[in-house]
Amino acid sequence: ETGVTQTPRHLVMGMTNKKSLKCEQHLGHNAMYWYKQSAKKPLELMFVYNFKEQTENNSVPSRFSPECPNSSHLFLHLHTLQPEDSALYLCASSGEFNSPLHFGNGTRLTVT
Amino acid sequence: AQKVTQAQTEISVVEKEDVTLDCVYETRDTTYYLFWYKQPPSGELVFLIRRNSFDEQNEISGRYSWNFQKSTSSFNFTITASQVVDSAVYFCALSSYFTGANSKLTFGKGITLSVRP
Repeated sequence: ETGVTQTPRHLVMGMTNKKSLKCEQHLGHNAMYWYKQSAKKPLELMFVYNFKEQTENNSVPSRFSPECPNSSHLFLHLHTLQPEDSALYLCASSGEFNSPLHFGNGTRLTVT
Repeated sequence: AQKVTQAQTEISVVEKEDVTLDCVYETRDTTYYLFWYKQPPSGELVFLIRRNSFDEQNEISGRYSWNFQKSTSSFNFTITASQVVDSAVYFCALSSYFTGANSKLTFGKGITLSVRP
């Protein structure tokens, strides 16, 4: 398997639920990212991990909790979300300095 | 602060027409990178091109061409003889050359291109 794989593709959750998004990359990259894509808005960078260490938290609410156990896996743990958190959540990875991002297909999240 | 403006939100063309997608950017950096990504209905963003601010040569790749004009801070993308498979959302993005080991991109809002048969 190659590229960046995200699961699940679709997720519907209530505001009191706890769920997790998973991302796996098979490209040998060192950096992994979470982006949020809402309708009619630019992609928003949420978190960056470089060699498993978090290097960027773009003022994301604590109800989003990332985890990067190794350079190939990235999780986004979700709890007590709000309806406005409904969006497409995209995972990406990159290799060397300023190299292009490789994106997964995203998880379409709906919070009811 | 960096900013990318894609003033066109939706474009609809008939197959085989040429179409140009506009991108205007703002940055205080003297050295930076510009990107175009394509997002088909499947969801993933697909990398199309990266240009650095040193190189203002236009680039052509098959039916795709890019026009980088530093004087007007624009990086426009032209698809020649469009095809239905070109239907997607296209994003222009900008990153500082000196952001460190990661590519922290500033994206535009995207342009939805529909190519009708």
